[in-house]
Amino acid sequence: SSELTQDPAVSVALGLTVRITCQGDSLRSYYASWYHQRPGQAPALVFYSENVRPSGIPDRFSGSNSGDTASLTITGAQAEDEGDYYCSSRDTSGNLVVFGGGTKLTVL
Amino acid sequence: QVNLQESGPGLLKPSETLSLTCAVSGYSINTGYYWAWIRQPPGKGLEWIGRIFRSGTTSYNPSLKSRVSMSQDASENQFSLKLTSVTAADTAIYYCARQFIESSTVDYWGQGTLVTVSS
Repeated sequence: SSELTQDPAVSVALGLTVRITCQGDSLRSYYASWYHQRPGQAPALVFYSENVRPSGIPDRFSGSNSGDTASLTITGAQAEDEGDYYCSSRDTSGNLVVFGGGTKLTVL
Repeated sequence: QVNLQESGPGLLKPSETLSLTCAVSGYSINTGYYWAWIRQPPGKGLEWIGRIFRSGTTSYNPSLKSRVSMSQDASENQFSLKLTSVTAADTAIYYCARQFIESSTVDYWGQGTLVTVSS
């Protein structure tokens, strides 16, 4: 198995850019997927694979990968972007799925 | 539009078996995706429980493998989760979801159902 590590909390001023990172050995072999979860709601997919944004997700969301780290960048953060962000990937065996511990984003 | 809806008891006693069903609409579970269960203890992060494929093949989180089983009913377009010998640590929101075969990506989630384990 493997672990994915995320910063517990990040804040950003309204309209500015924020990067949320996810680190783990499995990311050297597999792309991360990113999810946004608002309080009381199920997670929603916001970015995945090398460069794919699901339909309906604003283009201010983008992703990147470097070595053992994946990043989700929000360019021009909005109030509705607040919430918890989780990364996931396959584990190092390729058979299982692991999630990061989540990052709580606050938009100031 | 793909919709997933979990159903099952919301309150269990320690040592009982958790049984949940996920009804899928808008897509046949016999087509090319994995069907997964993910849980989230109150105030905590997400944990992948496992997944099942149309062939019936399964893959489970090693931390739960001895207590978990999944099955599917293609005729009803639904799949199910069983978790035996539950404890308070199994208290969580349980989500069913559609997972890509080639990655960890989950593109559709159920709304989630809270299962509480308490004596």
